[in-house]
Amino acid sequence: QVQLQESGPGLVRSSETLSLTCSVSGGSINSDGYYWGWIRQPPGKGLEWIGYIHYSGSTYYNPSLLSRVTISSDTSKSQFSLTLSSVTAADTAVYYCASRYTSGWYLDAFDIWGQGTVVTVSS
Amino acid sequence: DSVLTQSPGTLSLSPGERATLSCRADQSVSSSYLAWYQQKPGQAPTLLIYGASTRATGIPDRFSGSVSGTDFTLTISRLEPEDFAVYYCQQFVSSAYTFGQGTKLEIK
Repeated sequence: QVQLQESGPGLVRSSETLSLTCSVSGGSINSDGYYWGWIRQPPGKGLEWIGYIHYSGSTYYNPSLLSRVTISSDTSKSQFSLTLSSVTAADTAVYYCASRYTSGWYLDAFDIWGQGTVVTVSS
Repeated sequence: DSVLTQSPGTLSLSPGERATLSCRADQSVSSSYLAWYQQKPGQAPTLLIYGASTRATGIPDRFSGSVSGTDFTLTISRLEPEDFAVYYCQQFVSSAYTFGQGTKLEIK
């Protein structure tokens, strides 16, 4: 059973770059059919899809974040990462990493989630 | 961007009652790409339903999903105390993934 654990700084200064890592256990990042993604949730608000990386290396990003976000993977460390540049207070949120195996054409949903990590953007 | 509108915003019911949560899409959504999640305070979301009506692994059969056109419904047949939480629908349409704003299911 795949398990995920987020890590990274809990405080980021405004205008700087947020970097988070998700460590994968119980599975391989380059296993056929797997998607590895990030979702965030501002305090007291709903969920926002950030993006994902497919085992093949292809990526998808939320169009509203496209100019600032990068998701990458490191198979040697069994990790995938999120970087978000030029952060503002609006990027303050709980950030979740998540995964899904599917043989379908597209990712439909995430069924495995990390516990989440709180990131606060300070001015 | 395509929008998912969930209703009601808050639903107050008692254990043992039936809950019906709605999620309406503003454009056609393939049933294959409509999912429902449950989120309890301080926890990550849990996938309940994918493909509009397929229960995820380990989800009790009191949870069911259905669709009629662009209207998707999550039904909980008999509420258990642990079912009181926030529920989100999520879609993939026009190359974008979006969540509804959520329905809070609270104890009456």
